[in-house]
Amino acid sequence: DQQVKQNSPSLSVQEGRISILNCDYTNSMFDYFLWYKKYPAEGPTFLISISSIKDKNEDGRFTVFLNKSAKHLSLHIVPSQPGDSAVYFCAASQGASGTYKYIFGTGTRLKVLA
Amino acid sequence: KAGVTQTPRYLIKTRGQQVTLSCSPISGHRSVSWYQQTPGQGLQFLFEYFSETQRNKGNFPGRFSGRQFSNSRSEMNVSTLELGDSALYLCASTRTGSSGNTIYFGEGSWLTVV
Repeated sequence: DQQVKQNSPSLSVQEGRISILNCDYTNSMFDYFLWYKKYPAEGPTFLISISSIKDKNEDGRFTVFLNKSAKHLSLHIVPSQPGDSAVYFCAASQGASGTYKYIFGTGTRLKVLA
Repeated sequence: KAGVTQTPRYLIKTRGQQVTLSCSPISGHRSVSWYQQTPGQGLQFLFEYFSETQRNKGNFPGRFSGRQFSNSRSEMNVSTLELGDSALYLCASTRTGSSGNTIYFGEGSWLTVV
């Protein structure tokens, strides 16, 4: 049972436009969410996180939105740059409980076209 | 501050052999977790260690084991290797935050079983 789902395996966006990556989860106990970017042959790099007490968190070009009632979160990248081309993973945990176990989605490959 | 360090980066093993992978967490991080990444499966949680104790375990067979030393360094071992064990094995260490815990990954160890 996939508790964290990224239903779009790939996404192509023109440089300068907005990239929106989506993630759905099924476990209502998740209270902490993270996004990671991964280039080939490298480990995932932490991008941004959000706690369930918030519905939005911004860091530069990256904004994460959380809709708890829909069990949905999204990552917005504005403006998109060619260097953003990578695989993006969302992850969820019961962070507030101190659990250090993270459930990851299967990833979305973003391609930003110059 | 040095990141998470994993060794070896690449290795090839034969079916039936065993393998040991090593991980040094970020200085000051006491939790170390391991993930397996295979194409199409995203990142699958293996186990997590804190203060030399396994606190969480994923759904992997007993052939997968790990341990943590007093200096927080960790090793994972896979015995009786199978072709399906070919994957990228990622180690992560955890920074504790007030709203949640963020994990930081190493570059990974690429294991190929032939």
